[in-house]
Amino acid sequence: SAVISQKPSRDICQRGTSLTIQCQVDSQVTMMFWYRQQPGQSLTLIATANQGSEATYESGFVIDKFPISRPNLTFSTLTVSNMSPEDSSIYLCSVLPAWRERGEQYFGPGTRLTVT
Amino acid sequence: SQQGEEDPQALSIQEGENATMNCSYKTSINNLQWYRQNSGRGLVHLILIRSNEREKHSGRLRVTLDTSKKSSSLLITASRAADTASYFCATVITGGGNKLTFGTGTQLKVEL
Repeated sequence: SAVISQKPSRDICQRGTSLTIQCQVDSQVTMMFWYRQQPGQSLTLIATANQGSEATYESGFVIDKFPISRPNLTFSTLTVSNMSPEDSSIYLCSVLPAWRERGEQYFGPGTRLTVT
Repeated sequence: SQQGEEDPQALSIQEGENATMNCSYKTSINNLQWYRQNSGRGLVHLILIRSNEREKHSGRLRVTLDTSKKSSSLLITASRAADTASYFCATVITGGGNKLTFGTGTQLKVEL
């Protein structure tokens, strides 16, 4: 199995500031994803983090607002930029190891973000 | 946007009873998966069923898939208080690579 850690686990931020969330995996994985879960809602895919190239964003999410880095096969960061209260959510990273069935992902514990 | 809807949105049962959750989706899929989330934390993968499978079991879990109706159900037998969580179905859409599209979720509460 893949063990995933996220930092920070939670944070309270002021509007207009930015927060960078880190995702670390204990083994090399090809695919990493970032999701957002708004309060009481389901998960929405933000982007696929690609190693060595720009992330692939889903409709409704843009790089200026959610820049993503993926410097190697075990680490990725998601930045939430110029935050507003609407960005208050749980942000989760996930990985798809090569030995798992298509789409079957491991999830990190999440980062609970509150914007005031 | 969500691929599917789940019902019920919330379910409260007594320990020892069975819990059934349903998931409907909209497009052709490669597989359908069920995940559990405890108290807004990370998700845990429970079970995967491929589009050419109709039923699958794992411990106290039973999943069915009806591709003609674009629906799936998750049955948890002999529920325990520790099963209290939110349950999400997620689909890998045909031609969608490895991306997961999540349903709306069912909040299950198992009372002693």
